[in-house]
Amino acid sequence: DTAVSQTPKYLVTQMGNDKSIKCEQNLGHDTMYWYKQDSKKFLKIMFSYNNKELIINETVPNRFSPKSPDKAHLNLHINSLELGDSAVYFCASSQDSGARRPQHFGDGTRLSIL
Amino acid sequence: DAKTTQPNSMESNEEEPVHLPCNHSTISGTDYIHWYRQLPSQGPEYVIHGLTSNVNNRMASLAIAEDRKSSTLILHRATLRDAAVYYCILSVVGSQGNLIFGKGTKLSVKP
Repeated sequence: DTAVSQTPKYLVTQMGNDKSIKCEQNLGHDTMYWYKQDSKKFLKIMFSYNNKELIINETVPNRFSPKSPDKAHLNLHINSLELGDSAVYFCASSQDSGARRPQHFGDGTRLSIL
Repeated sequence: DAKTTQPNSMESNEEEPVHLPCNHSTISGTDYIHWYRQLPSQGPEYVIHGLTSNVNNRMASLAIAEDRKSSTLILHRATLRDAAVYYCILSVVGSQGNLIFGKGTKLSVKP
């Protein structure tokens, strides 16, 4: 069983569209994260939820809205997609948000904006 | 931001040990040292972490300097599958799990 799974794996869409990426973890973890990896391969955190509550909200456009319906799911909705949103988006989870906790990552969603 | 410095790239021969260095001279007393790796077209994968003492697990060993200003990830026998970008990251208490990834070290393994 995949521990952290993201759907879809690939997403190709046009500028201006709205899209969602889903993430599920079956590890029983309390904390989930969204990271963005740009074309230069830098990985940067976007959001984090602990027990369905937002605990990290980095400086990202408010077109990006995370939603955590329950502890096992963290979805990312993006409105009015722009060319600069093209990137790989990774979901991750950890037992809690403590500094010693390893994070487990999904395989990523490759978003391409035409 | 808690910062680390790693070489951009390293090469190793298959079945030989690999020592990947990391400098973190501004580390504070409660920062954990984490290592992740990212294989091509995959998400980052947790490798190992430590605070003060050296650590071993099935994937690697982590040697932490006595003053904690540097650490070394040791792969005991490199395989082709170990070719990846290795990230050394300081995990700061109170940062809510915010891992700050740098450029990492790209490890190439030659057969």
